Amino acid sequence: SAVISQKPSRDICQRGTSLTIQCQVDSQVTMMFWYRQQPGQSLTLIATANQGSEATYESGFVIDKFPISRPNLTFSTLTVSNMSPEDSSIYLCSVDARRPGLRDWNTEAFFGQGTRLTVV
Amino acid sequence: GQQLNQSPQSMFIQEGEDVSMNCTSSSIFNTWLWYKQDPGEGPVLLIALYKAGELTSNGRLTAQFGITRKDSFLNISASIPSDVGIYFCAGQLPRAQKLVFGQGTRLTINP
Repeated sequence: SAVISQKPSRDICQRGTSLTIQCQVDSQVTMMFWYRQQPGQSLTLIATANQGSEATYESGFVIDKFPISRPNLTFSTLTVSNMSPEDSSIYLCSVDARRPGLRDWNTEAFFGQGTRLTVV
Repeated sequence: GQQLNQSPQSMFIQEGEDVSMNCTSSSIFNTWLWYKQDPGEGPVLLIALYKAGELTSNGRLTAQFGITRKDSFLNISASIPSDVGIYFCAGQLPRAQKLVFGQGTRLTINP
């Protein structure tokens, strides 16, 4: 498994501002993922953060709104830009840290504790 | 996009009862994962399944990877109060690293 730390754990922000969420992993991982979980809902993938290249965004999410950095194999940031109340959600960092012996086409994803964002 | 249908959406049971929930899809998956999420926390991986027909246990939890690769179930035996939470299934599509999540099953236990 992997130990994943997210900061901040929660924040209340004014609309129109931006918040950067940090994700730190205790081991080197190839792929990191950012999810959004709206109140009472399931998890929706925002983007895949690859080290050394631009993030890959899912349909409905754009780089201008959710810029992502991945400077090395243990760290990533997600910025929520120009926030509105509709951005109030839990944002979760995830890594694929499969145990040795698993095949390349099998994943084993672990999550940070999440960042609870409230936009007022 | 790809969807997983998870049921039931919620369950209200008595302590000691067994619980069963499942996920189905029209798509084939390489991996099925089951998570539990407590309030204010991220999802915690409970069981991972990698082969069609695979049956795996983790304490009182048992999960199976459907033989068609389009479904999976999770059973919890002899439920206890700390089993309360939201359970999510997640599937990994072939040739993709990313996961698709079910809508979740909210489990409530009456003591």
